[in-house]
Order: sequence, then C-alpha cells, then structure tokens
Amino acid sequence: QKEVEQDPGPLSVPEGAIVSLNCTYSNSAFQYFMWYRQYSRKGPELLMYTYSSGNKEDGRFTAQVDKSSKYISLFIRDSQPSDSATYLCAMMGISNFGNEKLTFGTGTRLTIIP
Amino acid sequence: GAGVSQTPSNKVTEKGKYVELRCDPISGHTALYWYRQSLGQGPEFLIYFQGTGAADDSGLPNDRFFAVRPEGSVSTLKIQRTERGDSAVYLCASSQDPTDTQYFGPGTRLTVL
Repeated sequence: QKEVEQDPGPLSVPEGAIVSLNCTYSNSAFQYFMWYRQYSRKGPELLMYTYSSGNKEDGRFTAQVDKSSKYISLFIRDSQPSDSATYLCAMMGISNFGNEKLTFGTGTRLTIIP
Repeated sequence: GAGVSQTPSNKVTEKGKYVELRCDPISGHTALYWYRQSLGQGPEFLIYFQGTGAADDSGLPNDRFFAVRPEGSVSTLKIQRTERGDSAVYLCASSQDPTDTQYFGPGTRLTVL
C-alpha cells in the first residue's frame, strides 16, 4: 500500500463547476500538506501549503486537512479551462535533517470543459 | 527573479551510456532536491542536499546513481550504465530553508533507448 493514495482520474467537469480533489495517507508523521499543479511537460507549481489540520483559502482555491481521518482535499470554485492540469497532493514530515522529502500522490488529471 | 533551471530539457541516450543532468537552484536557496517522475506517476524522491552535503540519499535506486553539489549551488545528477527503466522526467527543486516551500524546475526528460 502506498503512503499517499490519490485517484488518478481523469476527471472532466464543465466550466464554472466546483471541483473537489482529495488524497488519503497512512503516515501519521506527515505534518505539512501541499497541492501542486502540473501542466503537461512542465514542473509542478505550488498552489497551497498547509501545516497540520484546518482550512486555508486563496482566491478560488480552498485546501482542507483532516489529520484525524488522514484525508486532505482541494476545492476549486468557478473552474476555468486554464485550470485543466494534473493536480498532485504532497506531504512532508520532519526528520532529523530539519526537513524531509515530499511524498506525492499519483496526481489527478483534470479537464475543464468550456 | 529566475526560478530553478535544468539542462538539458531533453536527453536521449543509448543503454549502457553515462549521462549528467544539471540543476541551477534559485539563488540563495540552501536546500536542493532531486525527484524522478515516471509517466502517470507523482514525483519520487531521490536525494536531498543541505549546502554541499547530501543530507538524505535514501531515494537513490542503486549505485549507478550519484549526485554532487560541490559549491552549494549547482547540482549534477549522474547516472552510469543507463538502463531503459531509467527513462523518466528528472525534476530538481530548491527551497530557502528546510521548512520552506520547494520550488520545482521544468525537469529533464531522459529517454534510454
């Protein structure tokens, strides 16, 4: 079983819809939770960065973390065709090095239909 | 300011050959990471540098893979005796300090024929 599980999709929704993406994880040491967006043949670009449980909002994007359920979500409101990309969840704990590798989900491929 | 840059953007090589992939991190970032992304998968950690030293190399798959960062800035990932299974996108990321955001480069797409 992978440490981070993410439905690979593909997911297609009409423009203007609310998109819900999520990941589950098994490692209780994870404390930092991120969502990255990756366009085709590009590197991942950070969208949201959250520490521990709770909600964080930035424009049309809302990230939620529920550590008790080991479940994180990303919501996209008023989705636009430019939001079409692969969305990767990523998580990190704290090691003796003061930082640790990011552990990623497989990514969900999202298409917004005009 | 400039982001993380990686060269070459694409590399095609033959099985058994040696390759070097270069990463230029964001200026002033002390932490540097290498990841590998196979088709349809998320990036997988290879190695982490803090300054010039490799703080965590637990993700390197075998001794054919080696990375250096001699002056604490540019890093080179070296792969000896390449195999077809090494074909992937190799991503580099850097961060200002250990708890900060990791910023990714565009990656080097390696194809081993």
